[in-house]
Amino acid sequence: AQSVTQLDSQVPVFEEAPVELRCNYSSSVSVYLFWYVQYPNQGLQLLLKYLSGSTLVKGINGFEAEFNKSQTSFHLRKPSVHISDTAEYFCAVRQKGAQKLVFGQGTRLTINP
Amino acid sequence: DAGVIQSPRHEVTEMGQEVTLRCKPISGHNSLFWYRQTMMRGLELLIYFNNNVPIDDSGMPEDRFSAKMPNASFSTLKIQPSEPRDSAVYFCASSSQLGASPDTDTQYFGPGTRLTVL
Repeated sequence: AQSVTQLDSQVPVFEEAPVELRCNYSSSVSVYLFWYVQYPNQGLQLLLKYLSGSTLVKGINGFEAEFNKSQTSFHLRKPSVHISDTAEYFCAVRQKGAQKLVFGQGTRLTINP
Repeated sequence: DAGVIQSPRHEVTEMGQEVTLRCKPISGHNSLFWYRQTMMRGLELLIYFNNNVPIDDSGMPEDRFSAKMPNASFSTLKIQPSEPRDSAVYFCASSSQLGASPDTDTQYFGPGTRLTVL
């Protein structure tokens, strides 16, 4: 079985500041890793995903994430945030060969002007 | 493409009533997923279908919940009878599970149905 831990339930940052949202996972088998974003009153939208290859993955809206197998982490970063980045961010894992996504509890990113 | 369509967007009902949530997946997608989102438990997978066949319903909380997919373009999630603890946002997602590449297996989510059971 897989599990995902998002270490911060809320992250407040100032506009144009960098941000890192942390995600650690646990799995006894190889997994794929995902970050989804949920804007208020909307469904989840895929930000980026790691399937294989380069451990640094770039996604939409200037976000990137780095897969670290030894630390079982997949932290999300953005060098300069904007007010429009205010949303909830979910890290998820999926076992290779399976379809079931396991989500973390989410991190609420709040951008202050 | 219109994306995944869910209806209704909001549902308020009284305890004991039957509730039916509806989902239309993206055209051409052959996998469909139902999730529930609550503050306490986060996002949980309830059930998923491949080619209209239920594959894993281990997340369905109890017999009051049932899901069907009569054809490739429509699915329902029914709660009967509903209880206040069923209040949550229910999401439907679809993907194209062709088995060829995980890159094609991204799940696309609908806007959700916010259910309130009084």
